[in-house]
Amino acid sequence: GAVVSQHPSRVICKSGTSVKIECRSLDFQATTMFWYRQFPKQSLMLMATSNEGSKATYEQGVEKDKFLINHASLTLSTLTVTSAHPEDSSFYICSASSGTGSYEQYFGPGTRLTVT
Amino acid sequence: KNEVEQSPQNLTAQEGEFITINCSYSVGISALHWLQQHPGGGIVSLFMLSSGKKKHGRLIATINIQEKHSSLHITASHPRDSAVYICAVNQGGSEKLVFGKGTKLTVNP
Repeated sequence: GAVVSQHPSRVICKSGTSVKIECRSLDFQATTMFWYRQFPKQSLMLMATSNEGSKATYEQGVEKDKFLINHASLTLSTLTVTSAHPEDSSFYICSASSGTGSYEQYFGPGTRLTVT
Repeated sequence: KNEVEQSPQNLTAQEGEFITINCSYSVGISALHWLQQHPGGGIVSLFMLSSGKKKHGRLIATINIQEKHSSLHITASHPRDSAVYICAVNQGGSEKLVFGKGTKLTVNP
């Protein structure tokens, strides 16, 4: 099956710094990538949808200036959490779809962000 | 009311038991997904279906479009099946997923 990787798997940063999370599709071209966050014991919450070469579409309530998403190639999307605060501590997961008419999404292993 | 409802929320079983997790949704969908999330957090896609039934090993997923209902069955459950099982749907023609709250399954040896 299709493989999606995320890096880093865990990151601890200080309040006020920025953190970049990478999401890569390893064996297919991902025309669309999705970024989710998940708080403990809660379901996934979609943050934004990104299509290669265009601006990301953010869900209501998600600050686009705080969560910068770049989808510069068909195999890589990045999420940058700018000026991180402790309340940004969460589990961030990406998924990717090949956009070939299938609704299949392939999920990355997630990144656990802790802001101190 | 969540658009995707799962039941039960929590389920504890003994090894070897037959498990059923249910998912109901309220709007028309293009596809329904069953996902598995282990304690480490990673998510694995188990099934995507839009009609009928699919089987993979000890896992079976069914969907009834008219009744807007899907079930995930696990036969001969094993402790390694312990995980959170999430139902998610593509509403209409959207690529975006709408998630249920998940069912936490614990299988005891």
